[in-house]
Amino acid sequence: EIVLTQSPATLSLSPGERATLSCRASQSVSSSLAWYQQKPGQAPRLVIFDTSKRATGIPPRFSGSGSGTDFTLTISSLEPADFAVYYCQQRTNWPAMYAFGQGTKLEIK
Amino acid sequence: QVQLVESGGGVVQPGRSLRLSCAASGFTFNNYTMHWVRQTPDKGLEWVAVISYDGTNIYYTDSVRGRFAISTDSSKTTLYLQMSSLRTDDTAVYYCARDSVGLWLPGFDLWGQGTLVTVSS
Repeated sequence: EIVLTQSPATLSLSPGERATLSCRASQSVSSSLAWYQQKPGQAPRLVIFDTSKRATGIPPRFSGSGSGTDFTLTISSLEPADFAVYYCQQRTNWPAMYAFGQGTKLEIK
Repeated sequence: QVQLVESGGGVVQPGRSLRLSCAASGFTFNNYTMHWVRQTPDKGLEWVAVISYDGTNIYYTDSVRGRFAISTDSSKTTLYLQMSSLRTDDTAVYYCARDSVGLWLPGFDLWGQGTLVTVSS
């Protein structure tokens, strides 16, 4: 069973700063990873798919990278609307099953 | 308006059944693979089940296989999750979600608002 470990659990930054969120897989299954943003009381929102592609409506300050077992979500200059919980997701094995990381809370410092 | 709207959640006793619905609108339902995902404060997001766009491929997470059944009604553009033999650890907010990427890759681009299922005696 693949486990996705996100770090840090909480990231405290100020608007305008750069955020770097990590997602590490316990083993390499797929090179494709997705990232979601979730705000309180709302459903998750797709931010990045296929490791580095921005979903519709996501601003260019969001970028994704990585391969193998190590993936990163970077927000180049934080806006107030970016403070939320971020989850990574990967397909685990065949047949299709999916795992989510436990989340990184990005909070205002 | 492109949206998914879940319904059917509520409080149910352990061992009983419940059916969740997810009404889709604003897009061609038959073209998309659909998922159910649940969320709890303790376990976070957990993928539950998937049904391919043509209904030929259905998969479940291990903990619900044999108890839950995912299905669609194309005429009603509705996704269902029939949950049986419910356990207390099935308590969660259940989301339906649309698969945007295809090829069984991660990336769900449209989510419902969620419906709360509470399993308790």
